This record gives sequence, structure tokens and C-alpha cells, in this order.
Amino acid sequence: AQTVTQSQPEMSVQEAETVTLSCTYDTSENNYYLFWYKQPPSRQMILVIRQEAYKQQNATENRFSVNFQKAAKSFSLKISDSQLGDTAMYFCALNAGNMLTFGGGTRLMVKP
Amino acid sequence: DSGVTQTPKHLITATGQRVTLRCSPRSGDLSVYWYQQSLDQGLQFLIQYYNGEERAKGNILERFSAQQFPDLHSELNLSSLELGDSALYFCASSVAGAFFDEQFFGPGTRLTVL
Repeated sequence: AQTVTQSQPEMSVQEAETVTLSCTYDTSENNYYLFWYKQPPSRQMILVIRQEAYKQQNATENRFSVNFQKAAKSFSLKISDSQLGDTAMYFCALNAGNMLTFGGGTRLMVKP
Repeated sequence: DSGVTQTPKHLITATGQRVTLRCSPRSGDLSVYWYQQSLDQGLQFLIQYYNGEERAKGNILERFSAQQFPDLHSELNLSSLELGDSALYFCASSVAGAFFDEQFFGPGTRLTVL
């Protein structure tokens, strides 16, 4: 079984500042992928970033980067230079086989 | 726009009824996934198909069934509907259905059971 936990139900950040969203997971598999998905008010699910467990280097996509700590089973998302358009639900997800398992989500509000 | 289409966008029905949700994957994608997003259960994986064959099953109720047709579109059938089935149902698709594939999500079908 695989589980994903997001311990921050809600967060807020001022525009242009940096925010970090936390995620922990559990799986018995050695190889797996971790993902962060964004769900804006439109409800569309959009992939933000992904990380392969075998890669030590943290993934980066423009203003989005992750801190992947495999031993601690931690996968946090850092958003730099936050923009109003970053306001959304953010879901951490794990795929160690055939299914994506999602965390409960963190609602992020970017304030002007 | 992810390239995944879902119809209808909204569906309102009564308890005990049966509905069918339809999904067309991105061009070239062979695998289709169905997810349910509800307030109390969060986002849950229901079922995956690859090139017409069932590949993985998650928390899908026996009242629910799905299939993927030769043209690769998929349908999710929900029967004997209950109030608790009200949710947003997402379809996603990926190239090969591998665990490392990016899954592209459709806009969802919002089901309301009255």
C-alpha cells in the first residue's frame, strides 16, 4: 500500500514571496515517481513538477522546485516569487505501480 | 487544454438511477484512468485501462464499471446511484500507462445525485 500525507490544509503567502508546501509519503517500492499537481478554481488538474525516486537531484521547473528527501520520505514543493495565479489547491501524488495516490491537498492563497 | 475531453460537464440525477460518463483521451495516448474527487474522500483512483484491457483497479465500487473501446475512448458507468456518489469524476490519459508517465487530466464531470 502507498500513502501520501499533506499536513498543511491551508497556507497563504504574499505576492512575490516564497512558500513551501510539505508532503510525506510511504511506499515499500524502491522505484517510484512523485508529482505535484495544481488544481485552480477551474478544477482542472495541472501537473506542476515530477521527481523520479532514483534521481538525487531535485527537480526544478521555472519558479517551482522540490526538496526530495528519500530517506525521510519527504517531498516538499517550493514556489518562488509567488504570483496571484498560483492560488490553487496543490496535491502531492505518488505512483509506485499502476495508480496515482494523492494526498489530501493544501489550499494556497496568494495575497496581493 | 490537456487534450482530454469529458462529457457531460455536469450531470444531475436522482438516487437509484444509472449514468454514463464519457472520456476521450489525448491523441496517441493508450491508457485511460478514472478518478473520483469528493469532499470527504479526496481524490481517489478508480480504475485504469490500457489499449482496451483493464490494467489496475482501485477503490471502485461494484455498482461502478468501466470499459475502453477500440477507438480508445472510455466510459464509466455508475448505477444504483446514492447521494454519496455526488462528486467530480476525472478522466486522465497517458501514453503507455507506465508509472512514470505524466497523466493528463480532463476537465471533469460534476455529478450531483439528488
